[in-house]
Amino acid sequence: KAGVTQTPRYLIKTRGQQVTLSCSPISGHRSVSWYQQTPGQGLQFLFEYFSETQRNKGNFPGRFSGRQFSNSRSEMNVSTLELGDSALYLCASSPTGGDNTEAFFGQGTRLTVV
Amino acid sequence: KNQVEQSPQSLIILEGKNCTLQCNYTVSPFSNLRWYKQDTGRGPVSLTIMTFSENTKSNGRYTATLDADTKQSSLHITASQLSDSASYICVVSAGRGSTLGRLYFGRGTQLTVWP
Repeated sequence: KAGVTQTPRYLIKTRGQQVTLSCSPISGHRSVSWYQQTPGQGLQFLFEYFSETQRNKGNFPGRFSGRQFSNSRSEMNVSTLELGDSALYLCASSPTGGDNTEAFFGQGTRLTVV
Repeated sequence: KNQVEQSPQSLIILEGKNCTLQCNYTVSPFSNLRWYKQDTGRGPVSLTIMTFSENTKSNGRYTATLDADTKQSSLHITASQLSDSASYICVVSAGRGSTLGRLYFGRGTQLTVWP
């Protein structure tokens, strides 16, 4: 069974640009969540999608948005990039995202904003 | 405020030795506590998940303990190997029936195992 796949693995963008990251969950998993990881803040929750609906949202500005497709694949978009958006962006999938369920993480997309 | 604190921030041990990592949390209501291992440049991999009623869980050489009364957890690594070098992240889930959206992360303990 294939794991969680994130593309691209690495990305370099300039300030003001926008970027779209992709996450393909494990087959059969309907919950996909996104996290930002920086050395200073650690892992921080961005949002979670389940069956194409955003179910939870973290405390990030509106420049960060996402969506989920009918096949459970998810995309995350960041508009008007800032230097502080440089981070490792991780997505995790689980069958339902419910209590006590296992969360499987992808390898992440390393975004560098210059 | 829901928080997860880990100690130490970093740790260096010799191959073959044991070590214990600590996690204190103030997350409420508590649902479960997870330990993840994250190799540099990779995504976290789950080691254990413990609910309120569990006070110990093992996964090979990794043993996690949970004291829900004092809101403390520890991860004990036995007979360390070079491949154990990684960041170990404590994650607490809030609320029963919660989703992955209510996970609170510690900043991790960076473990380095020397030969």
